[in-house]
Amino acid sequence: QLQLQESGPGLVRPSETLSLTCTVSGGSIRSSSCYWSWIRQPPGKGLEWIGSIYYSGSTYYSPSLKSRISISIDTSNNQFSLKLSSATAADTAVYYCARAYYDLSYAMDVWGQGTTVTVSS
Amino acid sequence: DIQMTQSPSSLSASVGDRVTITCRASQSISSYVNWYQQKPGKAPKLLIYVASSLQSGVPSRFSGSGSGTDFTLTISSLQPEDFATYYCQQTYSIPRAFGQGTKLEIK
Repeated sequence: QLQLQESGPGLVRPSETLSLTCTVSGGSIRSSSCYWSWIRQPPGKGLEWIGSIYYSGSTYYSPSLKSRISISIDTSNNQFSLKLSSATAADTAVYYCARAYYDLSYAMDVWGQGTTVTVSS
Repeated sequence: DIQMTQSPSSLSASVGDRVTITCRASQSISSYVNWYQQKPGKAPKLLIYVASSLQSGVPSRFSGSGSGTDFTLTISSLQPEDFATYYCQQTYSIPRAFGQGTKLEIK
């Protein structure tokens, strides 16, 4: 059974880079049927799509974050990662990784449990 | 960018009620809408994909309909475990926008 698990620092200083990794287990990240995605949720607010990456390395980013984000993939370790530069308090959120599956027209059917990131000095 | 607008933002209902949540896209998105359920402190769960297809394992009291710009999620008979927040999402284009959410509360 496919599982995703986010990891990374829970506290980031303002102006620094937020870095998170999602580890995929129970399946291969090299699947041609999936995009691997990041979504975030500020406290008490709704879901925001951040971006996605294909196993080949092709990326798709939210225009509102595009200048600050980078998503990469490490197929040898079955992981993909998010970097968000110049972090501010507005980036404080629960960050989720998820699989967007071709057979479901890229609906996100498997999610990590989420990791809380606080941007504060 | 395509905007997704849900209504209502919150809803109070009783066990056994039939409930409908609406999602409107700012432009036509064919049937590329998904619906998710989220409970406090948990990751979202996929309920419906491509407007009306029920995800495996999801109870049949959940159904979806619509195409173009207007979509609905219906719960035919509310159960206690259905009280949660529901989000629509479009997968027609990038960015994959979500609606703002509808919080379903117990009356």
